[in-house]
Amino acid sequence: DIQMTQSPSSLSASVGDRVTITCRASHDISNNLAWFQQKPGKAPKSLIYAASILQSGVPSKFSGSGSGTDFTLTISSLQPEDFATYYCQQYKSYPYTFGQGTKLEIK
Amino acid sequence: EVQLVESGGGLVQPGGSLRLSCAVSGFTFSDHYMDWVRQAPGKGLEWVGRSRNKANSYTTQYAASVQGRFTISRDDSKNSLYLQMNSLKTEDTAVYYCARGHNSFDNWGQGTLVTVSS
Repeated sequence: DIQMTQSPSSLSASVGDRVTITCRASHDISNNLAWFQQKPGKAPKSLIYAASILQSGVPSKFSGSGSGTDFTLTISSLQPEDFATYYCQQYKSYPYTFGQGTKLEIK
Repeated sequence: EVQLVESGGGLVQPGGSLRLSCAVSGFTFSDHYMDWVRQAPGKGLEWVGRSRNKANSYTTQYAASVQGRFTISRDDSKNSLYLQMNSLKTEDTAVYYCARGHNSFDNWGQGTLVTVSS
């Protein structure tokens, strides 16, 4: 199985900040990487697929990059609604696997 | 508008069975792969399994943790996806989400809670 490791596990930031979350795959997954946002009590929301392509309707403040084993999610100009937990996920091979999540909190 | 609505969750004893449903609308169901993903209380996301589309003969794929106990099926005439869960264990307690398997998982339902406890 491909293991996905996110860092940091938690992150404190202020409104207006720019933050970066890192995701590392245990094997080469090319660009088969997605990012999700989840708020408490809600279903995950898809943000990015193919490492860098925004899902329809997702604001451009979210951006993704990377290929192979190392990936990043960057969120610019943080707003109160951006504070949530973020997950990366690989869909290169079965079983599909997720990172453990990064909880983004207000400082 | 794409919509996915899960139902069928509840409390079941260890060793018991439960069938979840996911009713979809807003897209051509038979064209799409569909997945189940679960989330144990306070934990992260775990992929459970997949049903491929009609063009790929509705073949399925499962996580090792549910292989042989869970079965994914679908009824394209009812625009519905199902998850039959047998031999349930306490560690199967989770919110179960259905998701459309397009560009990873582009649309999700709201989830249904399954609690396995005596």
